Amino acid sequence: LAKTTQPISMDSYEGQEVNITCSHNNIATNDYITWYQQFPSQGPRFIIQGYKTKVTNEVASLFIPADRKSSTLSLPRVSLSDTAVYYCLANYGGATNKLIFGTGTLLAVQP
Amino acid sequence: GAGVSQTPSNKVTEKGKYVELRCDPISGHTALYWYRQSLGQGPEFLIYFQGTGAADDSGLPNDRFFAVRPEGSVSTLKIQRTERGDSAVYLCASSLGKEAFFGQGTRLTVV
Repeated sequence: LAKTTQPISMDSYEGQEVNITCSHNNIATNDYITWYQQFPSQGPRFIIQGYKTKVTNEVASLFIPADRKSSTLSLPRVSLSDTAVYYCLANYGGATNKLIFGTGTLLAVQP
Repeated sequence: GAGVSQTPSNKVTEKGKYVELRCDPISGHTALYWYRQSLGQGPEFLIYFQGTGAADDSGLPNDRFFAVRPEGSVSTLKIQRTERGDSAVYLCASSLGKEAFFGQGTRLTVV
């Protein structure tokens, strides 16, 4: 399973766009990149998943370059309620079997 | 609709005692997962059920931990002879596809 590396923490202000980069140098051909969000005292929540290029949903965008050795989660116009831990995962076939979570990135949004 | 439900939300037990943690997955979800999360860490995989059978129990730390899902729905995580190091939040998730839905967890404290 590919190991992912992401910053321990990031700070932002309300209304800004936030980009969280994840490194996965040894990603396997069949691995997808998946991001989860976790608020205190809650379980993680699925945000977005992609294999390559760009994926966008109502919450975020995910950019994966051609070499797939990194990916960037983009959160447009963050608000205070986006303060959470964000996890980047590489999972085989995009399935939910045995998800491997790192320590994540704590995003702190300030007014 | 109802999400993943875990009971109890909090459990305090004495060292050496036996505990059971319950998970009610989303109706119809065939896959069910147990994770354990310590403070400041990401969730750690314990076991994965597909239907009634344990498809992957490689994350169970030792033979004091056991989980069942007899009818392919509700699951129970059982911990024998609890130790203070077992204190953590135990998360359950269920899935039908690429997205895992997590419950709010059971906070287990062993004193």
